[in-house]
Amino acid sequence: DTGVSQNPRHKITKRGQNVTFRCDPISEHNRLYWYRQTLGQGPEFLTYFQNEAQLEKSRLLSDRFSAERPKGSFSTLEIQRTEQGDSAMYLCASSSSGSSEPQHFGDGTRLSIL
Amino acid sequence: DQQVKQNSPSLSVQEGRISILNCDYTNSMFDYFLWYKKYPAEGPTFLISISSIKDKNEDGRFTVFLNKSAKHLSLHIVPSQPGDSAVYFCADNAGNNRKLIWGLGTSLAVNP
Repeated sequence: DTGVSQNPRHKITKRGQNVTFRCDPISEHNRLYWYRQTLGQGPEFLTYFQNEAQLEKSRLLSDRFSAERPKGSFSTLEIQRTEQGDSAMYLCASSSSGSSEPQHFGDGTRLSIL
Repeated sequence: DQQVKQNSPSLSVQEGRISILNCDYTNSMFDYFLWYKKYPAEGPTFLISISSIKDKNEDGRFTVFLNKSAKHLSLHIVPSQPGDSAVYFCADNAGNNRKLIWGLGTSLAVNP
């Protein structure tokens, strides 16, 4: 079990550029989640997939954000036309089905907007 | 709107003593609560959870207590060790595990 893997670990980009992050969940997990965390805050939910279906999206996920999980395995989160306020840690988690299964997190991608 | 509150931003404890971290929530009968530990530059690591139908769950040095009437839960770590120094987050999965609602975290320092 290799755990949840996120790439890249760090991304520095100029304002206005597009960025894409990748998440590889634990292989037997069919649920995948994206969160965003800023300094001094708890993680904030962004979106949730069950297999390839995106079943829930936060109001935080503006039209500049899009997430996919095309084959129900890895997922990508894309941010278009990045803004200063997008600077944060982007966390991915996965879990098995079931209302009591804990979500297991990767180490995140830290995004810095210059 | 669901809320989870951790009102103590930090806690300092001597090695070997008990650490008690607190969390308050605003919702529901069917919620499921989880505690995570987070080291700098790492993702949160799941520690222990409790269903709203229970009032206690224990795993080694970690015990979580749930007081449903007060909508309050607490994480006890005993004995505390220096390696326990981290930020601890309380989270609520609202019973359906579609998302977690998180507190702001409590930074625990265990002093040798």
